[in-house]
Amino acid sequence: GAVVSQHPSWVICKSGTSVKIECRSLDFQATTMFWYRQFPKQSLMLMATSNEGSKATYEQGVEKDKFLINHASLTLSTLTVTSAHPEDSSFYICSADRVHEQYFGPGTRLTVT
Amino acid sequence: DAKTTQPPSMDCAEGRAANLPCNHSTISGNEYVYWYRQIHSQGPQYIIHGLKNNETNEMASLIITEDRKSSTLILPHATLRDTAVYYCIVIDGGGADGLTFGKGTHLIIQP
Repeated sequence: GAVVSQHPSWVICKSGTSVKIECRSLDFQATTMFWYRQFPKQSLMLMATSNEGSKATYEQGVEKDKFLINHASLTLSTLTVTSAHPEDSSFYICSADRVHEQYFGPGTRLTVT
Repeated sequence: DAKTTQPPSMDCAEGRAANLPCNHSTISGNEYVYWYRQIHSQGPQYIIHGLKNNETNEMASLIITEDRKSSTLILPHATLRDTAVYYCIVIDGGGADGLTFGKGTHLIIQP
């Protein structure tokens, strides 16, 4: 099956710093990728849709200036959490669309201290 | 997209078939039924999807009722590694939109 990777798998950062998370589709090209966030004991929540070569579309309540998304190529999307705060600590998961099936990355655990 | 209803949890003995139900009574004609699962602390994994016919792949079978208002995911011979949260999601036109995850069913396979 299709493979999506994320890097890093976990990261700890200090409050006020920025963190970049990469999402790569390893064996297929994806014009559309998605970013989700999952808090403990909750379901995944869609944050934004990332389209190659154009601006991302953010879900209601997600601050676009705080969660910067760049989809510069057909195999790479990045999510940058700017000025991170402890409440941004979460499990961030990306997915890539391939012929109407979404393939998910393994997730990135972000802890902000 | 249509809303789905799933039991919050289910147990199944190892080696037995696990049957996970999903209600989607407001599904419309061009909406597909997708199933994903999430093993603890991992990204979700695609399992299977269908429109109106029953489907089978190497992981599971999907049985959709004739009126399409409900479906059942069948894991034919459950193993301990099948313990996960299973999500039934209805998607318009099988298209490339972000997914709306409900609470899913936490399936626990008992040894």
